[in-house]
Amino acid sequence: DADVTQTPRNRITKTGKRIMLECSQTKGHDRMYWYRQDPGLGLQLIYYSFDVKDINKGEISDGYSVSRQAQAKFSLSLESAIPNQTALYFCATRAGRDTEAFFGQGTRLTVV
Amino acid sequence: DAKTTQPPSMDCAEGRAANLPCNHSTISGNEYVYWYRQIHSQGPQYIIHGLKNNETNEMASLIITEDRKSSTLILPHATLRDTAVYYCIVRPGTSYGKLTFGQGTILTVHP
Repeated sequence: DADVTQTPRNRITKTGKRIMLECSQTKGHDRMYWYRQDPGLGLQLIYYSFDVKDINKGEISDGYSVSRQAQAKFSLSLESAIPNQTALYFCATRAGRDTEAFFGQGTRLTVV
Repeated sequence: DAKTTQPPSMDCAEGRAANLPCNHSTISGNEYVYWYRQIHSQGPQYIIHGLKNNETNEMASLIITEDRKSSTLILPHATLRDTAVYYCIVRPGTSYGKLTFGQGTILTVHP
């Protein structure tokens, strides 16, 4: 089993719909992150969390919200999806500031 | 944040060493240099990281210049499966450990 699991792997949704992307990890890490990647570009940070009571906005949080249901689970929601949110989304975890990050396999989201 | 500069693309012959450069001239004294790679839209994979000294693991070696303004990732015997986008990242001096991914270097390993 993967250390960081994202569901779904692929999703097509319509403009205006609410959608949730889920991430779960078995690493036991406190820190979790959501990134998005647009074609040909690097990753941009959406939200991050240091524990279940700590949620912080990243660089591009507008139009997104998150929920840290447990240490192992961190969900990303698009309340009203729009086409320019079509992207590849990655969840990541890390144990501490100067440690390596572990990434999920990504969710490919298409908003039509 | 310390910025990094990498060549947009590089080629390497299979079996040869691949040397990927990175400039980070504004790096602070307590900032680490990280390398990740991303194979065809998969999740980024950690390769190696270092602060001042050269580092080696089962995947690669990291050479950091004495002034820390640049570094080189070395894949000693590149294979076709090493074809990927390689990201050099300097961890910013903030407390939350954000990884800032730039454009990276597209490494193509040829038979």
